[in-house]
Amino acid sequence: DAKTTQPNSMESNEEEPVHLPCNHSTISGTDYIHWYRQLPSQGPEYVIHGLTSNVNNRMASLAIAEDRKSSTLILHRATLRDAAVYYCILRDANTGTASKLTFGTGTRLQVTL
Amino acid sequence: DVKVTQSSRYLVKRTGEKVFLECVQDMDHENMFWYRQDPGLGLRLIYFSYDVKMKEKGDIPEGYSVSREKKERFSLILESASTNQTSMYLCASIGLGHYEANYGYTFGSGTRLTVV
Repeated sequence: DAKTTQPNSMESNEEEPVHLPCNHSTISGTDYIHWYRQLPSQGPEYVIHGLTSNVNNRMASLAIAEDRKSSTLILHRATLRDAAVYYCILRDANTGTASKLTFGTGTRLQVTL
Repeated sequence: DVKVTQSSRYLVKRTGEKVFLECVQDMDHENMFWYRQDPGLGLRLIYFSYDVKMKEKGDIPEGYSVSREKKERFSLILESASTNQTSMYLCASIGLGHYEANYGYTFGSGTRLTVV
């Protein structure tokens, strides 16, 4: 599996946008970029995923670099409830839905008032 | 909403005991997974199943087995619990085609197992 690199931690003020970076320089053409987050004392939850184009949903936006070697998860207005560990994961679309997700250690986002 | 339910939130077992961790999902998903999560190591895949009675080893299957007799239920078995199996255990599921349809994997809330 191609590897991702994320900062260990980031801080944000409430109500401000947050840009969480992820580097994946060895990404292959069929790798989707997934983001999950894990709130304290919870299992991970799906946030968003994309292949080449930028993606938006009710939780966040995903901006993918033109060469696909990096991506950024954007939370438009951080709230205290967004404090979590955010994981950037690559998943090969050719392996089917039974394939595993390989989690790294993610970025711990701290949101302050 | 899809629900993945893990039978126990906290569990304390003795070394050498046989331990069953149960996971049930209510959305007819074909694929189910067991992970364990440890500080500094992230989530690691133990076993997964893509159909009833089918199972595949993940990255760290040693000391574990699984059972999938019904589609909705995936059990993780610690044959003889040891203290190094003290961990948070997370179950997840996803259906066929849900990946492409912008659904992600759904995780349960986890079982924190302590082996003493």
